[in-house]
Amino acid sequence: GAGVSQSPSNKVTEKGKDVELRCDPISGHTALYWYRQSLGQGLEFLIYFQGNSAPDKSGLPSDRFSAERTGGSVSTLTIQRTQQEDSAVYLCASSPETGNTIYFGEGSWLTVV
Amino acid sequence: DQQVKQNSPSLSVQEGRISILNCDYTNSMFDYFLWYKKYPAEGPTFLISISSIKDKNEDGRFTVFLNKSAKHLSLHIVPSQPGDSAVYFCAASAIGGTSYGKLTFGQGTILTVHP
Repeated sequence: GAGVSQSPSNKVTEKGKDVELRCDPISGHTALYWYRQSLGQGLEFLIYFQGNSAPDKSGLPSDRFSAERTGGSVSTLTIQRTQQEDSAVYLCASSPETGNTIYFGEGSWLTVV
Repeated sequence: DQQVKQNSPSLSVQEGRISILNCDYTNSMFDYFLWYKKYPAEGPTFLISISSIKDKNEDGRFTVFLNKSAKHLSLHIVPSQPGDSAVYFCAASAIGGTSYGKLTFGQGTILTVHP
């Protein structure tokens, strides 16, 4: 497809379980980002991948959160031992090497019960 | 510390009138600013951007103004249309540094345009 693709679109999980969220960026985009939006909040930066450089993990809220990007394309965000405060929309975005505009996917809605 | 602030959580405007959405920032390293629009159950979509070397950028009905000395930017929509009803996010980044592409977002403003 032409846009950023995320899966699953919705996920309900029990507290304490691990979840994986997947992102397929726009083809040819070298940069990939994860953001999250909690209820009533703005978008919060989580992690940023750019080419082969070390990722910027400065936004990850705890060591329960991790992300990988394999082959410079698909990324997986993993949340271990989920907590109720992890409930949010997790948005993936990508951008080309040049230019500063990033393009978002539709998000993965995570609910921890 | 909220580096990008949108102090109005909501704005209601009549169709055909001007909508003005405001945004303030505190980080003087920010040199690139963007506005995104978000409909329910969709990801944010890019609307318009401005570099700090400019004070105005226009694209059709949308104009963004930047006042660097006041660390303030605004988005003007003229004329407003009911389809413009959405959440509008202001975002900022520092292109020149290692935070290239990393955007800091405001909390968003819900715009409602009434027919």
